[in-house]
Amino acid sequence: DVKVTQSSRYLVKRTGEKVFLECVQDMDHENMFWYRQDPGLGLRLIYFSYDVKMKEKGDIPEGYSVSREKKERFSLILESASTNQTSMYLCASSQGTALNTEAFFGQGTRLTVV
Amino acid sequence: AQKITQTQPGMFVQEKEAVTLDCTYDTSDPSYGLFWYKQPSSGEMIFLIYQGSYDQQNATEGRYSLNFQKARKSANLVISASQLGDSAMYFCAMREAREGGKLIFGQGTELSVKP
Repeated sequence: DVKVTQSSRYLVKRTGEKVFLECVQDMDHENMFWYRQDPGLGLRLIYFSYDVKMKEKGDIPEGYSVSREKKERFSLILESASTNQTSMYLCASSQGTALNTEAFFGQGTRLTVV
Repeated sequence: AQKITQTQPGMFVQEKEAVTLDCTYDTSDPSYGLFWYKQPSSGEMIFLIYQGSYDQQNATEGRYSLNFQKARKSANLVISASQLGDSAMYFCAMREAREGGKLIFGQGTELSVKP
């Protein structure tokens, strides 16, 4: 089974802190994604990576950056956390560019910025 | 502009009845794929069903079927014979060929199944 693992289930950080959310997948997938999920807004794509060191901005990249130094690991970085970044963060991975490729998700990280 | 729109924030259905969850999409790419995912209260995302833009027939997976109306750009999920365990958030998503592996989601619909 494909496994996507996010480093933390719950996280509480202070405003202004630098925050790292880590995601690891074990199926050698090319694509990895970071989404944030908010009630009424669904899943919004923050960043997408289609290969090591390659990234594309999603719909809401402001205030975030990402790093993909190894194929299996995709990190989301909040350079200076703010309260409006309190949210559920979901990481996902998928194989290649075939249209019917299913995405597999991690269990999510609920981040609270105080 | 919103590429995937789910206009029903919440839906109720009686157990054993059928329910339709709406999804409309916006794309100029002739080649795309549409997905439905289920998210129970536990938070995991479960893939349900897929429909390709060139598929001639509507996709079906057990009690799930996708009512694909290409001209209207809609891809509604139909759940037959609802069960209590169907209570969850449901998300519609799209992948366009020109965007590579990028996957975009809608706002979601929360389905509650009443006994």
